[in-house]
Amino acid sequence: SYELTQPPSVSVSPGQTASISCSGDKLENKYVCWYQQKPGHSPVLVIYKDDRRPSGIPERFSGSNSGNSATLTISGTQAMDEADYYCQAWDRTTAVFGGGTKLTVL
Amino acid sequence: QVQLQESGPGLVKPSETLSLTCSVSGGSISSDYWSWIRQPPGKGLEYIGYIDYSGSSNYSPSLKSRVTVSVDTSKNQFSLKLSSVTAADTAVYYCARDPGAAAGRGFDYWGQGILVTVSS
Repeated sequence: SYELTQPPSVSVSPGQTASISCSGDKLENKYVCWYQQKPGHSPVLVIYKDDRRPSGIPERFSGSNSGNSATLTISGTQAMDEADYYCQAWDRTTAVFGGGTKLTVL
Repeated sequence: QVQLQESGPGLVKPSETLSLTCSVSGGSISSDYWSWIRQPPGKGLEYIGYIDYSGSSNYSPSLKSRVTVSVDTSKNQFSLKLSSVTAADTAVYYCARDPGAAAGRGFDYWGQGILVTVSS
């Protein structure tokens, strides 16, 4: 079965750039989506189709996908961005999620 | 604005069938793809399956033998049944909408989630 691998944790200082990776076999051939989840809340879609932002998502969130890896980048990270982040892609007709990355802003 | 709301028992006994319903408002269930996703306490997201606008369903290979997703268009609802549950099925269960499945549009609307505990 297809697998997506994320680092368990990433730390960033306020105002700096955070990068969260997601790796999978030939991932560039699939669309990647990213979700933000804060404790006690449902996930929120922050990036779809590799690099597109849904309405209402701040411009500091961006995405890319090349080769076997996709990246979520948060520029000018704010304290409110501290959350768990999940990548997701479709393997044929099955959705696959990465294991999640805890972003700490300190 | 599409809204989704999960409902069903919060406690299910081992070996029994978990049954949940997702009510959709602000949009028609006769379009798009409607999914179930779960999250065990303290763990990551796990895809369960979806039903599409035509009534066709698809399930995660790891759960396929125990899962059924169905739709009731007259009530604008879709449902999940998971049979022969064990403690490993304890999780927050979410329903979510995806406008295009593998088209990369993402799960853009989610319910608030419902915690289902499997215990005798």
